[in-house]
Amino acid sequence: SYELTQPPSVSVSPGQTANIICSGDRLGSKYCSWYQQKAGQSPVLVIYQNTERPSGIPERFSGSFSGNTATLTISGTQTMDEADYYCQTWDSRTYVFGPGTKVTVL
Amino acid sequence: QVTLKESGPALVKPKETLTLTCTFSGFTLTSSGMRVAWIRQPPGKALEWLARIDWDDDKFYNSSLRTRLAISTDTSRKQVVLTMTNMDPVDTATYFCARRHWGSDSFDIWGQGTTVTVSS
Repeated sequence: SYELTQPPSVSVSPGQTANIICSGDRLGSKYCSWYQQKAGQSPVLVIYQNTERPSGIPERFSGSFSGNTATLTISGTQTMDEADYYCQTWDSRTYVFGPGTKVTVL
Repeated sequence: QVTLKESGPALVKPKETLTLTCTFSGFTLTSSGMRVAWIRQPPGKALEWLARIDWDDDKFYNSSLRTRLAISTDTSRKQVVLTMTNMDPVDTATYFCARRHWGSDSFDIWGQGTTVTVSS
């Protein structure tokens, strides 16, 4: 079955840039989405189709792609951005989520 | 305003069948391209997609759980129902329903989730 890989954790200081990566076999031929999930809450879509930002999502969230690695970038990270972040794609009639990356702002 | 809300039992016994209902508003599942999915999350673990139903009643399942899952819809009542048979303690999780983000294979609106514990 298809798998996505993410680092378990990323630490960032307030105001700095956080980069969260997601990799997978042939991911470059698929679309990647990103979700933010704060403790005890439902996931929120922050990036879809690799680089698109839904309405209402702050501009500090951006997505990029290189080869088989997708990257979620949080520019000017704020304490409110502390959360788990999941990448997700669609492969062989299956939605696949990554294992998640815990972003700590300190 | 688009909303989805999950409902179902908080506690089921091993080997029982779980039935969850997703009641939605603000959109029509019969609209071309619309999809609703179920996703679960065990405590402290990652999200796991379970099943999806489309506007044309096409259905997709997580291959590892396919034999245990059934998804259906009652469009007149604006509900999507998921049944999972032969429940096991490892199925303890928060179960979410979510709507497809138009034009992409992602989910833009999620329900609040319902927590299901499997225990005797």
